[in-house]
Amino acid sequence: GAVVSQHPSWVICKSGTSVKIECRSLDFQATTMFWYRQFPKQSLMLMATSNEGSKATYEQGVEKDKFLINHASLTLSTLTVTSAHPEDSSFYICSARRSRASGNNEQFFGPGTRLTVL
Amino acid sequence: AQSVAQPEDQVNVAEGNPLTVKCTYSVSGNPYLFWYVQYPNRGLQFLLKYITGDNLVKGSYGFEAEFNKSQTSFHLKKPSALVSDSALYFCAVSDYKLSFGAGTTVTVRA
Repeated sequence: GAVVSQHPSWVICKSGTSVKIECRSLDFQATTMFWYRQFPKQSLMLMATSNEGSKATYEQGVEKDKFLINHASLTLSTLTVTSAHPEDSSFYICSARRSRASGNNEQFFGPGTRLTVL
Repeated sequence: AQSVAQPEDQVNVAEGNPLTVKCTYSVSGNPYLFWYVQYPNRGLQFLLKYITGDNLVKGSYGFEAEFNKSQTSFHLKKPSALVSDSALYFCAVSDYKLSFGAGTTVTVRA
C-alpha cells in the first residue's frame, strides 16, 4: 500500500511553454501533498505544501505564479511550471501523506519527474 | 526549527564490510526521524523510521538505525554492505514537513 505515482516521468519542452506534472496517491487518500525540487547530487528542497481543497503554501523564494499547484481531490495534485525556462530544468518529486489525525508523519514519495527545458 | 545534518558527503566501503551513514538531528520536542535511499533518476525509497519505542529500528534491505537521544544521532547501519547498496542516502526529520539532510553518497566496491 501507499503508492504514489507521477506523470510524466520525464518531459522535454521548449522555453516559454508550460508543463503540467501530476501526482497521484493510488491506494490511499492524501489530505496533504508536497512538491520538492532536486538539483543533481543535491538534497530535496521543499517548494510547497498542498492541502486538498485549499490554496498551496509556498516556501520562501518559490514563485507561486511560476509554479502553480492544484490539489483538487484527495488523490491528485498537479504542479504546472508556467513559461518554463532552462533554469527550471530539474527533478521534481512529489510526496503524499494521509490524514494528520492518524498520528503518523510519514510521507510517501513519487518516482519523480525529470524536466528539461531547451 | 528542526534540522538534520549528515556530516559525510561520501562513504566508501568494500562489499561485505559494515556500512554506517551518520546523521545528527536538532528538534524541539520528540523527533520523528526517517532514512530514505535514492537511486539515480529515481524517487525516494523509504528505509526506516523512528517515532517512539525501541532505540534500534530495523528497516528494509537489512538496514537498521540506532536512535541516540543523548548524542542526538540517528545513524544508519548495515552489517554487511552489498554493491547494490551504492546510492544516495538521506536522513530526514519531520514534525509536519520533512527536512532533509544534504545526503550521503555511498559507494560499495566489489
